[in-house]
Amino acid sequence: QKEVEQNSGPLSVPEGAIASLNCTYSDRGSQSFFWYRQYSGKSPELIMSIYSNGDKEDGRFTAQLNKASQYVSLLIRDSQPSDSATYLCAVMGFYNQGGKLIFGQGTELSVKP
Amino acid sequence: DVKVTQSSRYLVKRTGEKVFLECVQDMDHENMFWYRQDPGLGLRLIYFSYDVKMKEKGDIPEGYSVSREKKERFSLILESASTNQTSMYLCASSLRSGRPYEQYFGPGTRLTVT
Repeated sequence: QKEVEQNSGPLSVPEGAIASLNCTYSDRGSQSFFWYRQYSGKSPELIMSIYSNGDKEDGRFTAQLNKASQYVSLLIRDSQPSDSATYLCAVMGFYNQGGKLIFGQGTELSVKP
Repeated sequence: DVKVTQSSRYLVKRTGEKVFLECVQDMDHENMFWYRQDPGLGLRLIYFSYDVKMKEKGDIPEGYSVSREKKERFSLILESASTNQTSMYLCASSLRSGRPYEQYFGPGTRLTVT
């Protein structure tokens, strides 16, 4: 089992819809969770971090964390074509040696006009 | 704003050459990281450092070495470049405390070894 798993996609949604990106992790002691957006040919950009169970909202983005189910998700409301990118989930494990993060393979999102 | 810079955006080297990739961050971050990213393989950690002169192997350290002589600078060295090291190389940095462990990436260096 991979340590951090994401559906590779592509996930295709129409403009204006809600895009839902999911991530599961294997280390039950994980404490910190991050979502990055990566446009083609560019480097990853941090968009959300979440540390406690529940929802965290930032503009059109909502991160949801459920530690009991070892599940973290990212919702993008009112999706725009500019949201088309690969979204990477990253998790810091319990034994977070030197701030090391474990990244998922990423989910490619395509927002159709 | 956190700024992480990398010495080159694009680099072309020949097989067997020694290659230096440099990364500089301006936010006094303790932790620094080198990744490579290849299609279908995701981000893979090569080396990381949590303090000056300290280094730890990541998942794929073979064929690479690193140097961290100053807190703000972390160098990746390919001792003898090979074609299978053609890749996008990404540097990142993070704090050890405060806003814990959010990693910020540089723009990347696309290295081609011919």
